[in-house]
Amino acid sequence: AQSVSQHNHHVILSEAASLELGCNYSYGGTVNLFWYVQYPGQHLQLLLKYFSGDPLVKGIKGFEAEFIKSKFSFNLRKPSVQWSDTAEYFCAVLPSGSARQLTFGSGTQLTVLP
Amino acid sequence: SAVISQKPSRDICQRGTSLTIQCQVDSQVTMMFWYRQQPGQSLTLIATANQGSEATYESGFVIDKFPISRPNLTFSTLTVSNMSPEDSSIYLCSVVGTGETYEQYFGPGTRLTVT
Repeated sequence: AQSVSQHNHHVILSEAASLELGCNYSYGGTVNLFWYVQYPGQHLQLLLKYFSGDPLVKGIKGFEAEFIKSKFSFNLRKPSVQWSDTAEYFCAVLPSGSARQLTFGSGTQLTVLP
Repeated sequence: SAVISQKPSRDICQRGTSLTIQCQVDSQVTMMFWYRQQPGQSLTLIATANQGSEATYESGFVIDKFPISRPNLTFSTLTVSNMSPEDSSIYLCSVVGTGETYEQYFGPGTRLTVT
């Protein structure tokens, strides 16, 4: 079975700092990859997704992620964070051809200090 | 996209009782799932709600504890039976939107506290 690891449980940054959240997965076949965000008191929202093609994926709110197949990684980046980016971020994997059941990582809580 | 609503949004229940959570989608969807998010943890898939047949449960979850109904393509219920404090979690309904591959949408969740 597939698994997803997010190594950073809690990240604290100042506004304008650059962000990189790690995500590694274990699965031998082709996968689809996602980053979801959960703002305080709100429900999960899709930030970005990778299906195929260009491994550098751009999402909403200035976020991007790069799929590196050789490293089984899909790290999330943002060049300059804002206070409003404070949220919990979840990486998720879906093996291609599966029954569409996402496997989530444990999540990373990002706190951006004003 | 799909818009999902859940009822109730939160509840506080006594040990030994049961709670039924409703999930309503604004369009017909094929795939519908129930997840649990325990305090400070990630999402864990409970089961796939199948229309017209029994739900498909993940390892560690059983029908007697989490009976699921799905009478049509826009509605499902999850019951948490014979509750204990360990069942305190957020329960989320999720669907895969029609016409879009692999993108899942999540409901706002039901925050359950068992005392």
